[in-house]
Amino acid sequence: DAGVIQSPRHEVTEMGQEVTLRCKPISGHNSLFWYRQTMMRGLELLIYFNNNVPIDDSGMPEDRFSAKMPNASFSTLKIQPSEPRDSAVYFCASSFYRDNQPQHFGDGTRLSIL
Amino acid sequence: DAKTTQPPSMDCAEGRAANLPCNHSTISGNEYVYWYRQIHSQGPQYIIHGLKNNETNEMASLIITEDRKSSTLILPHATLRDTAVYYCIVRVSSSYGGSQGNLIFGKGTKLSVKP
Repeated sequence: DAGVIQSPRHEVTEMGQEVTLRCKPISGHNSLFWYRQTMMRGLELLIYFNNNVPIDDSGMPEDRFSAKMPNASFSTLKIQPSEPRDSAVYFCASSFYRDNQPQHFGDGTRLSIL
Repeated sequence: DAKTTQPPSMDCAEGRAANLPCNHSTISGNEYVYWYRQIHSQGPQYIIHGLKNNETNEMASLIITEDRKSSTLILPHATLRDTAVYYCIVRVSSSYGGSQGNLIFGKGTKLSVKP
């Protein structure tokens, strides 16, 4: 079975550029989560969706970050403009929208902002 | 959500059982215990979760004490590929069976399986 698919796996870009990270959740899952991992802060939730609707975006660091889920099989996380401190590994996870169902993670996008 | 305490690192010999402890003394009655692991450069991988009873699946067993204040993840026959950081997480069960909410990852236990 296909797991959560993220693209690109690696992204290197210059400060000020727009960055778009993509995620395809596991088919049938209707909750989707975006996390960020850094050495300093560990893994932290940025935003999550249930049935394509954003539920909690309190973890989104600034207005430069935005996330969309136009349909059940696709989500994007956009950073505009990007800054060096945005460098991190960004993970997408999905689960069934049902009590206590575990989240399943993709392999992440390693983002480097120069 | 309750906090968890895990040893920062552990070693285990290949082929032996790896027993990873987790303390969650402030856990409340409606909080589940989840275990994930993260192998270098990969995303966190779900292992197992439970509420009160011990649980077993193809990857591991989860033993939860009767008072639910601690638990142990058991990898019955550790291999070199089990070398990873293991995270113990407690998360509240929503009363209406709805939103999933946050998984709060701590620093975990770095398990090193040695030949």
